[in-house]
Amino acid sequence: AQSVTQPDIHITVSEGASLELRCNYSYGATPYLFWYVQSPGQGLQLLLKYFSGDTLVQGIKGFEAEFKRSQSSFNLRKPSVHWSDAAEYFCAVGALSNFGNEKLTFGTGTRLTIIP
Amino acid sequence: SQTIHQWPATLVQPVGSPLSLECTVEGTSNPNLYWYRQAAGRGLQLLFYSVGIGQISSEVPQNLSASRPQDRQFILSSKKLLLSDSGFYLCAWSVRQPGSTDTQYFGPGTRLTVL
Repeated sequence: AQSVTQPDIHITVSEGASLELRCNYSYGATPYLFWYVQSPGQGLQLLLKYFSGDTLVQGIKGFEAEFKRSQSSFNLRKPSVHWSDAAEYFCAVGALSNFGNEKLTFGTGTRLTIIP
Repeated sequence: SQTIHQWPATLVQPVGSPLSLECTVEGTSNPNLYWYRQAAGRGLQLLFYSVGIGQISSEVPQNLSASRPQDRQFILSSKKLLLSDSGFYLCAWSVRQPGSTDTQYFGPGTRLTVL
């Protein structure tokens, strides 16, 4: 069965500094990988996804992620964070069900705090 | 454009009472629908999914059930709530995209507190 590990429960970054959130996955086939962001008390918003092709994926809000098959990783990066980036970030891996749709397995999330 | 609604937004229920949470999607046909639960400080756990009217797949045996009476309506229910049912319940939808992977889009969620 697939699994996702986000080793950092909480990260604090200064505004304007660079950011990298780690994600490691376990999946037997070529993975479909996702990053979502959740503001407090809200639903999840898709930042970006990888399903094939270029291993560097660009997303919304200036985020990017790089798929590294050899390391089973899909780390999220941003060169300069803004106070509005404070939120919880979830990495997920998709797997096909018997019905042909995809089921997502999520990591436990990384809470990002931005300090002035 | 597509929109997903969930209600109620917040719910406080006593132990042993019934539950009904509703999710509806607008602007798309025959979506795949999903129910997730997010416990405090934890990730999302997939509870149920449906690829069509009347079809329900359960991921985790528990005190909950799901139904899909209409194409764009997904209902999460319980006959008797437990304390452990407290959490943030999220509904999501997706449609198969040719040449790509499904992408799930999430609703605003329902905060359930069982006392």
